[in-house]
Amino acid sequence: DTAVSQTPKYLVTQMGNDKSIKCEQNLGHDTMYWYKQDSKKFLKIMFSYNNKELIINETVPNRFSPKSPDKAHLNLHINSLELGDSAVYFCASSLPYGSYNEQFFGPGTRLTVL
Amino acid sequence: GENVEQHPSTLSVQEGDSAVIKCTYSDSASNYFPWYKQELGKRPQLIIDIRSNVGEKKDQRIAVTLNKTAKHFSLHITETQPEDSAVYFCAAIGGGGSYIPTFGRGTSLIVHP
Repeated sequence: DTAVSQTPKYLVTQMGNDKSIKCEQNLGHDTMYWYKQDSKKFLKIMFSYNNKELIINETVPNRFSPKSPDKAHLNLHINSLELGDSAVYFCASSLPYGSYNEQFFGPGTRLTVL
Repeated sequence: GENVEQHPSTLSVQEGDSAVIKCTYSDSASNYFPWYKQELGKRPQLIIDIRSNVGEKKDQRIAVTLNKTAKHFSLHITETQPEDSAVYFCAAIGGGGSYIPTFGRGTSLIVHP
């Protein structure tokens, strides 16, 4: 069974377009995250949600908007895509915020902006 | 906020050798230190972690040591094998009351057969 899944796996699009990436976890976790991994492999946290509530929003352009319809889903919508948005985006989940827990990552979505 | 430095950025070893990756952190309040392995094209996965009340933890060929006074921790892999080739990330959690991990920039380990 897939623990954390993301769709799509690959996304190629033109500058200026709007796109969404979906994430679902079936682990029963309360906390979900979005990370951006650039070409140099650096893992940068973007957002964290606990029980559908935003608990952290790092310095991310407001073109990026996360949406959590329920505890098992955290989607990422990106408006007006730019070349610099090209990266691999990982969704992750963990046990409740407020404890030290393993992060379970999704398979990643490779976004290429042309 | 927390700052995690990781060295080296690239490490090349022969099969059977040992590999050591070092990380330092800035916030003395951090008290949980996981290590993640990311194979090429795959997701990061936890391989070992250590909490601040422990100085060393071992799991088969991998071990992690923690020096809270000096604020550094290290990953040790013995008898390396080609399948150990991957990018390894350290992280520190707990600084400033946050439970969000601060990751190091990663070490690309290459094990030559």
